[in-house]
Amino acid sequence: NAGVMQNPRHLVRRRGQEARLRCSPMKGHSHVYWYRQLPEEGLKFMVYLQKENIIDESGMPKERFSAEFPKEGPSILRIQQVVRGDSAAYFCASSPSGSAEETQYFGPGTRLLVL
Amino acid sequence: GENVEQHPSTLSVQEGDSAVIKCTYSDSASNYFPWYKQELGKRPQLIIDIRSNVGEKKDQRIAVTLNKTAKHFSLHITETQPEDSAVYFCAASRSNQFYFGTGTSLTVIP
Repeated sequence: NAGVMQNPRHLVRRRGQEARLRCSPMKGHSHVYWYRQLPEEGLKFMVYLQKENIIDESGMPKERFSAEFPKEGPSILRIQQVVRGDSAAYFCASSPSGSAEETQYFGPGTRLLVL
Repeated sequence: GENVEQHPSTLSVQEGDSAVIKCTYSDSASNYFPWYKQELGKRPQLIIDIRSNVGEKKDQRIAVTLNKTAKHFSLHITETQPEDSAVYFCAASRSNQFYFGTGTSLTVIP
């Protein structure tokens, strides 16, 4: 049973470029969560999605950041016009049904470096 | 929103000793409290969790306690081993969104 998959594992972008991060949830999971982790800090919630729906994006910056989870294919976190402060590890997690007391399983993360 | 505080930020113990990490939360509606272990460069992995209708849960060398009245919960690791060295995160959840503590870097000295 494959776990949560993320790609790329490492991504280098220059300021002003776009970054696209992909997340495939565990088999049977239809709920995806994105978190950002700055160096030596905890994980900060960004957005929660179900297939074709954004449920909660309260943690996502209002500008330059967007997320989607289409009917087919992985969830994508998109960062436009990246700045150095976007450098971080971005983790996605998935759960089966989105219940409030349900475990979230994390992917290996994408480490974004903005030059 | 929820605010989770975690202490200590770093912890060093001798192999075989116990380690205790404590977290407090602010939102009394939070009802699920997982603990994750993250090794350097790796993904966070769930090691134990507890729900608000339970006061204590144990899994071999790992135990978690929850005091809902005081809004705090703790992770206890007994008979620590070098492979327990990692960063440990607590989290509180009430509606899918996990609020994480800032992490405790545990070092087990052989």
